Amino acid sequence: EVQLVQSGAEEKKPGESLKISCKASGYSFTNYYIAWVRQMPGKGLEWMGIVHPSNSDIRYSPSFQGQVTFSADKSVSTAYLQWNSLQSSDTAIYYCARHNCGCDHWGQGTLVTVSS
Amino acid sequence: EIVLTQSPGTLSLSPGERATLSCRASQSVTGNYLAWYQQKPGQAPRLLICDASNRATGIPDRFSGSGSGTDFSLTINRLEPEDFAVYYCQQHGTSLHTFGGGTQVEMK
Repeated sequence: EVQLVQSGAEEKKPGESLKISCKASGYSFTNYYIAWVRQMPGKGLEWMGIVHPSNSDIRYSPSFQGQVTFSADKSVSTAYLQWNSLQSSDTAIYYCARHNCGCDHWGQGTLVTVSS
Repeated sequence: EIVLTQSPGTLSLSPGERATLSCRASQSVTGNYLAWYQQKPGQAPRLLICDASNRATGIPDRFSGSGSGTDFSLTINRLEPEDFAVYYCQQHGTSLHTFGGGTQVEMK
């Protein structure tokens, strides 16, 4: 069974750094892209970008370029989303998803709250 | 970057009725790589349709997708109570994928 399990909710202050994770199981992690999707409170889905765990192909949406960093560790079948300096506007649920003819499997989401 | 515009913003229907949702792209979607998702409150999205018209695994046949180029639609025949949710389209025909703004299907 394909599963993507994300790390737990985070509460951070503006300016702090953060790295959240997405652990994949039930399939060959290196064969599929992982997408990251943001959903701000009460709003729609925003495609942040995509990372390939095998060839390290990474693409960022222009809206997120320079604001976040994607990475992946094949040895533990885990993808990561990282911020160096959070802002209150980063408060949202972040989903990872396997890209396969669209996003066919999703993580449960990680709620990130940034508040002073 | 391709912009996807979904309409209507909200659709008010009764169980048993048919829902038709539209997704219009600002430029042609390469390969008709257009997906539809359903999202219920407090849940992650669920893939319904990929490649414009192919139902994902386990999706009931009352859901169907159609369209090509810049105009796509999702039809839900005979709405069931569990179908009331928000629906999003997404294109992945370019290197930068994008989502539409969503259509909420609410119970009249």
